[in-house]
Amino acid sequence: GDSVTQMEGPVTLSEEAFLTINCTYTATGYPSLFWYVQYPGEGLQLLLKATKADDKGSNKGFEATYRKETTSFHLEKGSVQVSDSAVYFCALGRDDKIIFGKGTRLHILP
Amino acid sequence: GAVVSQHPSWVICKSGTSVKIECRSLDFQATTMFWYRQFPKQSLMLMATSNEGSKATYEQGVEKDKFLINHASLTLSTLTVTSAHPEDSSFYICSVRGYFGPGTRLTVL
Repeated sequence: GDSVTQMEGPVTLSEEAFLTINCTYTATGYPSLFWYVQYPGEGLQLLLKATKADDKGSNKGFEATYRKETTSFHLEKGSVQVSDSAVYFCALGRDDKIIFGKGTRLHILP
Repeated sequence: GAVVSQHPSWVICKSGTSVKIECRSLDFQATTMFWYRQFPKQSLMLMATSNEGSKATYEQGVEKDKFLINHASLTLSTLTVTSAHPEDSSFYICSVRGYFGPGTRLTVL
């Protein structure tokens, strides 16, 4: 069945560092791919998404490209801020059903 | 504004009682809604698919008699945790068309 694997955290970076959180998926066909973010004490928010191969999703300086050939959807940001500290979930969706990876906790140090 | 609402946002109950959680779609009519559970510092696990007008579809390992789902209208799905026990304490979240509700924190004493 469909599944998502993402790098385990926690990931700790200094402010303004480059961020990469790896995510790979297993699925048949062409699911949609998502990154969700959960800030401390808050609910889940959609960060970005891509619906087909080679699509790039972007939001708030974060980017991820749907790579069919490597079944990946890695999250990147060129310069992180303290306010980016949160848990990031990679996910895939099919017919509105969304399957999540285990999440990666990100700590940004000032 | 919010696309999906949940009520209550938190609930504390005694062991053995039943608790009902509502999920409302504010912007869409939805024949399908989804229920997830999130334990502390863990990911969201899909529990079941709520189908308007028919039975819910449960994921493997989820007890359908324990977690009753009713999708009575195109904008409302309810999850009832029956005979709740401390191990049912968790964060329950619903989703509609990829939008997630704010969640309901259940604590069973």
